[in-house]
Amino acid sequence: GESVGLHLPTLSVQEGDNSIINCAYSNSASDYFIWYKQESGKGPQFIIDIRSNMDKRQGQRVTVLLNKTVKHLSLQIAATQPGDSAVYFCAEKSLGNEKLTFGTGTRLTIIP
Amino acid sequence: DGGITQSPKYLFRKEGQNVTLSCEQNLNHDAMYWYRQDPGQGLRLIYYSQIVNDFQKGDIAEGYSVSREKKESFPLTVTSAQKNPTAFYLCASSLGTVSNQPQHFGDGTRLSIL
Repeated sequence: GESVGLHLPTLSVQEGDNSIINCAYSNSASDYFIWYKQESGKGPQFIIDIRSNMDKRQGQRVTVLLNKTVKHLSLQIAATQPGDSAVYFCAEKSLGNEKLTFGTGTRLTIIP
Repeated sequence: DGGITQSPKYLFRKEGQNVTLSCEQNLNHDAMYWYRQDPGQGLRLIYYSQIVNDFQKGDIAEGYSVSREKKESFPLTVTSAQKNPTAFYLCASSLGTVSNQPQHFGDGTRLSIL
């Protein structure tokens, strides 16, 4: 079956540094990708999305990079802040498919 | 504020009891979803609905039931047939299921067994 996974389950970053969270996917038909942030006891919060016809998209302090050749997605967070501590999920969807497939998540901890 | 409201935040179920989790959205979204999240795991799809009076099973529908009588509401019933119901339940909505639009989530209901 198709799967979306993450390279590292946990990541610790010094406050002010940049962080990179990685995600691998296996479905070559995936054409839409989303990053979510989930804080403890809350639902996932949409961060940024990217379509397969793009390889980079920027938001406020965040950048998503998509490498379709190696089926790899990354989320870069610039100048991390304590409020960035959370679990980050990637999700993917293929054209015509009604469902999102979620990865298991990476826990990001910001060290003061 | 527009958003998705799930209630209650915490719910306890006795053996043999059915319980219903509420999900309401005022985003005017057509599609709604229910997910289950277990510790350290990703989200697994229980049921989804693309339009009023229509819904489809997700990957783990056994022991659950839903209804979609109104666009704004998509309640989930955890039946006594669900033998391992303890989990964090998340409701989401989106403009549509097939189009590339993000799903937006509520803040979840945590269900535990008494």
